[in-house]
Parts: sequence; structure tokens; C-alpha cells
Amino acid sequence: DTGVSQDPRHKITKRGQNVTFRCDPISEHNRLYWYRQTLGQGPEFLTYFQNEAQLEKSRLLSDRFSAERPKGSFSTLEIQRTEQGDSAMYLCASSLDTAFGELFFGEGSRLTVL
Amino acid sequence: GESVGLHLPTLSVQEGDNSIINCAYSNSASDYFIWYKQESGKGPQFIIDIRSNMDKRQGQRVTVLLNKTVKHLSLQIAATQPGDSAVYFCAESKDKLTFGGGTRVLVKP
Repeated sequence: DTGVSQDPRHKITKRGQNVTFRCDPISEHNRLYWYRQTLGQGPEFLTYFQNEAQLEKSRLLSDRFSAERPKGSFSTLEIQRTEQGDSAMYLCASSLDTAFGELFFGEGSRLTVL
Repeated sequence: GESVGLHLPTLSVQEGDNSIINCAYSNSASDYFIWYKQESGKGPQFIIDIRSNMDKRQGQRVTVLLNKTVKHLSLQIAATQPGDSAVYFCAESKDKLTFGGGTRVLVKP
């Protein structure tokens, strides 16, 4: 257990529905990242926060995706009007901003879009 | 562009032998290079990193080598154990991590 928790662990939804994932990072970590991972591939960067500020968002990220970290603690990732191509594992990670490459990942939220 | 890739998708190794996992990168501006291990059903776990101005760093049973001339990164695992069976990713860091595609290591008893 890394101390990063994600909820729900599994979500099955129908195409066109909205889904929301929650991430609770390690409490003293000021950086929070969202990644997406499909089978056999490395995690793909989506976005990251420094405290409550969203500092970068992947150019590959559709407008249907939005993330928030309202009080600099937990974060939510919402996907609107889901498509089958959104099926993946959504990973959250946290770190200190001085940690450079050492991120602590949660176990992920697996999304299946039917 | 920026990319991090791996030469071998699957590596089978006898328990007790040493393992070497290789990775090529293309972004010379990265500050750090990192290795992660991912077991089935879990998120990636940090193993070791190396700063871009270094060429070697050792941890417990692991050594990372960085060759900036040919843009090559490797992870050596000494005396490989069954618990080392996993998928290994190299990644490069500049504000965020960019991961490669992964190598599966299978340890044979």
C-alpha cells in the first residue's frame, strides 16, 4: 500500500454516460498526477496539479476530460460522454515537488465502457 | 519529439541469475531517468532513478546505467528472485514522467 487511494477500483458504464474517479494522495504531497494505462502499454500522462493549480494538461486529452483538485488535497477526474476508447486503467500518483522522478501510484481505477 | 522505448518486450531469466533490461530515450533535455516496476493489478512502483549528469547509480540489488552518448538506459538486477517477476518501465522526467512501453521479466525457478 503506497498511501494513495483511488475510488472506485472498477467501473463499468455504457457509452455516453459520465464517470468520475476520485484520488486521495499522500497527505503531505503537493503534486498530484493522473495517468491512463492500456494493456501492455506504459502509463500515459494526462494532467498534473501543484497544490490546487492544474499546471499541465496533455494535448491528447479530449475536452470530455476534466480534472480538479479544489483544496489541494483529493482530486477528481471526470469523463463526460464516455466512448469505448476510454476503456483503460486510470492511475493517480502523488509526490513532493522536490522528488523529481519518485511518484507514488495508487492501484488505479479500471474503466470499462460498453 | 519525446519518446522513451524498450528494446525487449519479454525477458526470461533463471532464478539467481542477473537480469539486464534496456531502454532507449530521445529527449536529451530530461533531468532524471527512472525505472519503475509494475506487478499485476498494481500501480507502478519506483525502483531507482539517476540524474542526467551521472552515468551509474546503485541501489539494493539494482544498478542503473546511463549512456548519454547513445541515449541508452539500462537496469541491472542482481541475483534475480521470483518476486522480481513484473513489467519494468523506464521513464524520463522533466516536470512530469514520460513512460516507455515496458518489458516483462519472467523468473524461472
